[in-house]
Amino acid sequence: DAKTTQPTSMDCAEGRAANLPCNHSTISGNEYVYWYRQIHSQGPQYIIHGLKNNETNEMASLIITEDRKSSTLILPHATLRDTAVYYCIVRVAIGAGGGADGLTFGKGTHLIIQP
Amino acid sequence: DVKVTQSSRYLVKRTGEKVFLECVQDMDHENMFWYRQDPGLGLRLIYFSYDVKMKEKGDIPEGYSVSREKKERFSLILESASTNQTSMYLCASSPTRPGANVLTFGAGSRLTVL
Repeated sequence: DAKTTQPTSMDCAEGRAANLPCNHSTISGNEYVYWYRQIHSQGPQYIIHGLKNNETNEMASLIITEDRKSSTLILPHATLRDTAVYYCIVRVAIGAGGGADGLTFGKGTHLIIQP
Repeated sequence: DVKVTQSSRYLVKRTGEKVFLECVQDMDHENMFWYRQDPGLGLRLIYFSYDVKMKEKGDIPEGYSVSREKKERFSLILESASTNQTSMYLCASSPTRPGANVLTFGAGSRLTVL
């Protein structure tokens, strides 16, 4: 799997857009970028994923650079409930056995939303 | 609305006890996973299963076994619990292609081994 690099922590003011960067310079052509977050004392929560096109859903937007070596997760209007650790993961969509073979979670970015 | 249910939120066991952690999902997912999470080490994959009666070792399977007799249920077994297995255990499930890496996690089971 391609390794990812994320800042250890970030602050963002409530109501502003939170932009979380992720570097994945060794990403392969068939690897997707996945984003998860983990709010304190809860299990991780899937946010969004993409291959090469920008993606948007009800939670966030994902911007992937044209060379696919980095991406940015955007929370358009951050709230206090968005305070969490955000994980950027790069993985092929299908494992060797035809199903999933597990995701590797790194240290992530601790996003703190300030009131 | 709970989709992945872990049987116990908190457990306290003694060294040497056999421990069962149960996980049930109601989304008809083919894939199920067990992770443990420790401060400073992040989430680490213990075992996963992509079908009934199938199991695959993750990154840290030593000291654990699993059972998947029914599609909706994936059990993690600690044959003889040790203090270094004190941890938060997280179960997850996902559908098969193309969403195999879109995992839904349970709330976690915090195990303390004395």
